[in-house]
Amino acid sequence: AQRVTQPEKLLSVFKGAPVELKCNYSYSGSPELFWYVQYSRQRLQLLLRHISRESIKGFTADLNKGETSFHLKKPFAQEEDSAMYYCALSGGGSARQLTFGSGTQLTVLP
Amino acid sequence: GAGVSQSPSNKVTEKGKDVELRCDPISGHTALYWYRQRLGQGLEFLIYFQGNSAPDKSGLPSDRFSAERTGESVSTLTIQRTQQEDSAVYLCASRSGTNPYEQYFGPGTRLTVT
Repeated sequence: AQRVTQPEKLLSVFKGAPVELKCNYSYSGSPELFWYVQYSRQRLQLLLRHISRESIKGFTADLNKGETSFHLKKPFAQEEDSAMYYCALSGGGSARQLTFGSGTQLTVLP
Repeated sequence: GAGVSQSPSNKVTEKGKDVELRCDPISGHTALYWYRQRLGQGLEFLIYFQGNSAPDKSGLPSDRFSAERTGESVSTLTIQRTQQEDSAVYLCASRSGTNPYEQYFGPGTRLTVT
């Protein structure tokens, strides 16, 4: 069975401080990992995926297969980063349905 | 272009009644998913449609839940004899065949069973 764990429900940091949102997963094969974000009063949207190794809005995430982690990081948080962040896993195959973590509410304080 | 739309945005129903939720995917998207999000929890996969193939119903929690989709268009999720534990936000997402990595989510339907 596949599972995604986000240990922090709430995370607060000050503007300009580094931020790391933790994500651990369990999956027996080679997973595809994603971070989705939901800003206030907006719909859920893709932030980044591990396969593209890209940086979006200053965020990066590295897949660590040894630690089964996919933590989301940003060196200098901005107030507009305040949102709900979900880590998600896809086991591949044609369906590609996502297994989501329970989410972390990030608040960036001025 | 228009994104995924869902209706109604909110639905309050009495325990034991049937409800029908609707999802309009992005035009041309072949894949469609339904998820459920209970308060304070992550999204749970319910069902997946891909073109005219048989749907993947592995996430449906009970036989009170069913969903239909005609071709690559609208989908409806039906919950029969609703229970209080069915209260949740029901999210629909669609995905194109050319970009298998990104699901586009609708705004959700908030269902409250009293």
